[in-house]
Amino acid sequence: AQSVAQPEDQVNVAEGNPLTVKCTYSVSGNPYLFWYVQYPNRGLQFLLKYITGDNLVKGSYGFEAEFNKSQTSFHLKKPSALVSDSALYFCAVRDINSGYSTLTFGKGTMLLVSP
Amino acid sequence: DAGVTQSPTHLIKTRGQQVTLRCSPKSGHDTVSWYQQALGQGPQFIFQYYEEEERQRGNFPDRFSGHQFPNYSSELNVNALLLGDSALYLCASSLSGFSYEQYFGPGTRLTVT
Repeated sequence: AQSVAQPEDQVNVAEGNPLTVKCTYSVSGNPYLFWYVQYPNRGLQFLLKYITGDNLVKGSYGFEAEFNKSQTSFHLKKPSALVSDSALYFCAVRDINSGYSTLTFGKGTMLLVSP
Repeated sequence: DAGVTQSPTHLIKTRGQQVTLRCSPKSGHDTVSWYQQALGQGPQFIFQYYEEEERQRGNFPDRFSGHQFPNYSSELNVNALLLGDSALYLCASSLSGFSYEQYFGPGTRLTVT
């Protein structure tokens, strides 16, 4: 079975400061890892993914994430936060060996960026 | 290029009724997955359809059923609605063979009273 943990319900950061949203995962094999963002009353928007290759993955809107296999983590980062980054962020995992593309999501972390 | 579309946007039903939600996948995609997102929770996988067959199913009761049409669009049906079925229902499409890339629609907000 695969699972994702997002240990923080909410992250608060001031505009212009760096941000980190944490994610750890558990899979039986090698993972595919994803970050999605959700704005109020909207669906999920894809930010970035890790499939293979470099551990530092760059995505949309200046976001990046670092895959750490030994710590089974995939933290989302951005060097300088914007107020418009305020939203709900979901980490998701898929076991490469699962055969299908179903995703397991964390419960989400609300990011609040203050002016 | 149209993305994933879902209808209706919002729906209010009474306990015990039945509901049908619809999804059109992104152009060129052949696989549709459905997720339920309860308030304050992450999306939970319901089932996935490919080639008009249910390919994989999550931990949801048989009250939840689906269908995929030859044009790859899909329906989610829920019978005997419970208050706990109130949620945002998300459809995601992907291309078989590149199925790790899922594109989500805006969702249908179902309220059961």
